[in-house]
Amino acid sequence: DADVTQTPRNRITKTGKRIMLECSQTKGHDRMYWYRQDPGLGLRLIYYSFDVKDINKGEISDGYSVSRQAQAKFSLSLESAIPNQTALYFCATSDPRDRESRGYTFGSGTRLTVV
Amino acid sequence: GDSVTQMEGPVTLSEEAFLTINCTYTATGYPSLFWYVQYPGEGLQLLLKATKADDKGSNKGFEATYRKETTSFHLEKGSVQVSDSAVYFCALRERNNDMRFGAGTRLTVKP
Repeated sequence: DADVTQTPRNRITKTGKRIMLECSQTKGHDRMYWYRQDPGLGLRLIYYSFDVKDINKGEISDGYSVSRQAQAKFSLSLESAIPNQTALYFCATSDPRDRESRGYTFGSGTRLTVV
Repeated sequence: GDSVTQMEGPVTLSEEAFLTINCTYTATGYPSLFWYVQYPGEGLQLLLKATKADDKGSNKGFEATYRKETTSFHLEKGSVQVSDSAVYFCALRERNNDMRFGAGTRLTVKP
């Protein structure tokens, strides 16, 4: 099994619908992140969480919300999806005690299309 | 704040050509530096890293040297293969702060 699992892998939804993207990890890492990837724009941070009780907005949080249900689970919701939220979404984890500088571990991504 | 600038793509090379993807950074301290690779349809994977000045990270024939004097971490490979076609991201992380990513460079290697 993958260390960081994202579901679904692909999703097509209609404008105005609420949708949830899920992320679970077996790394035991405290920190989890949601990124959005658009062509030519690299990765942009949406939300991040340092532990279950600590959730923070990233650079593009408008239109998104998150829930950290447990150390291992971090969900991203689009309350009312719009077409410009069509993108590839990645979840990542990291260990704040990362003494060997392993960096982040990424999931395989969710490709979301809003029509 | 900390930032990473990498060369714009796309980059198209023939098989066995030499590859360089430039990356420079801005940081207030002494960050760790990373290269991630994203193969088609997959997430980002750590390719190599360097944690202090003059360190050289290497993996799968790729190399990058942490140059503090030029604040650079350029990615190189002497002979690319078709299977190296991917998007490459330079990134930095200062102490336990969040990681900063470059915009990514798409590499296409033609047979």
